[in-house]
Amino acid sequence: EAEVAQSPRYKITEKSQAVAFWCDPISGHATLYWYRQILGQGPELLVQFQDESVVDDSQLPKDRFSAERLKGVDSTLKIQPAELGDSAMYLCASSRGRSYEQYFGPGTRLTVT
Amino acid sequence: GESVGLHLPTLSVQEGDNSIINCAYSNSASDYFIWYKQESGKGPQFIIDIRSNMDKRQGQRVTVLLNKTVKHLSLQIAATQPGDSAVYFCATGGTGGSYIPTFGRGTSLIVHP
Repeated sequence: EAEVAQSPRYKITEKSQAVAFWCDPISGHATLYWYRQILGQGPELLVQFQDESVVDDSQLPKDRFSAERLKGVDSTLKIQPAELGDSAMYLCASSRGRSYEQYFGPGTRLTVT
Repeated sequence: GESVGLHLPTLSVQEGDNSIINCAYSNSASDYFIWYKQESGKGPQFIIDIRSNMDKRQGQRVTVLLNKTVKHLSLQIAATQPGDSAVYFCATGGTGGSYIPTFGRGTSLIVHP
């Protein structure tokens, strides 16, 4: 069964450093999402792509976060500079089109020290 | 603002029993209501959704009930198995066709053998 791949699975970084996460969605899925999940809470959307275009980045802190999906396939989420409050799980998900039936990757657990 | 909440943070059941996980929501304009399951160390997994014009929908071993009058949603799991142990999130569907779920806090289901 096809799965969403994410790397790294765990990342520890010092505050003010730059960090990047990578996501490879299920083949053929045009829609890609990045979510942030704080421990004990549900995920919250950061950015949504349709192919290579950003559909919704209204909740993305654009002063420090950036996301791209240049060829409409895999995607990178970057944080620069990282802050203590960025410690969370970063989840990538994909779907065939715009759908609630989203397939999530295992996530990247970020710890900022 | 909108809130989506679960009634209980933890639910313990015996293997073979039926489980009922409840959820209250505040936004009466929501079009969809969705349930996700998140196992430890994994991303959420879509279980089932229901449109606002329905009051019941059944899947494999799961049934979702929607009571719009009292803004209440429930997920029933028949013959609960140890593999059902996870955190269950209810979510409301974004209005206007955005297909971005707003997640609640989650209920931890513990299945005792």
